[in-house]
Amino acid sequence: KNQVEQSPQSLIILEGKNCTLQCNYTVSPFSNLRWYKQDTGRGPVSLTIMTFSENTKSNGRYTATLDADTKQSSLHITASQLSDSASYICVVRPSGAGSYQLTFGKGTKLSVIP
Amino acid sequence: NAGVTQTPKFRVLKTGQSMTLLCAQDMNHEYMYWYRQDPGMGLRLIHYSVGEGTTAKGEVPDGYNVSRLKKQNFLLGLESAAPSQTSVYFCASTDNRDTEAFFGQGTRLTVV
Repeated sequence: KNQVEQSPQSLIILEGKNCTLQCNYTVSPFSNLRWYKQDTGRGPVSLTIMTFSENTKSNGRYTATLDADTKQSSLHITASQLSDSASYICVVRPSGAGSYQLTFGKGTKLSVIP
Repeated sequence: NAGVTQTPKFRVLKTGQSMTLLCAQDMNHEYMYWYRQDPGMGLRLIHYSVGEGTTAKGEVPDGYNVSRLKKQNFLLGLESAAPSQTSVYFCASTDNRDTEAFFGQGTRLTVV
């Protein structure tokens, strides 16, 4: 079964510090890997989308990396802000003609404290 | 630009009651999706649509029906609500499978 595993489950960091969130997946072959940010009580918002041929993609202070050989991705947050407190979800879309179903990880809950 | 709008935001149902959740998008997207999000689990696809007049089953379709009569709207129906359907429901839309999905703000449904 296609799976996406994220670690850690939760993380607390001080404002201004950097952090890295991990995503391991078994989905294969896949078309793209996405990172979403979900604030409490809100819908997910896209941060990055990477195809299998891309190694890194940035969106402001967010940088996602992808190693398709080891089936691992990471999301690095630089100079964290209080507004970064949210759940971060790794999502993989399988490739193939009928592959409309995205596989979602359970998310990492990040808390940034002053 | 409203994006994806879900109605209602909150609802409490009694077991056996029916209801319809409405999703509306103003981005002219072809693809629309209904997901449910439960504690400790990733989002799971209930049903989806690849265009006006089309619908298809996702990972967890039992107990739900959908309709896409207009391109901008995607309705999710619960014919006879059960406590197991207590969840947060999200609608999303995309212009194709490989672009970012835009999500609504969610509907928190409690079935008692």
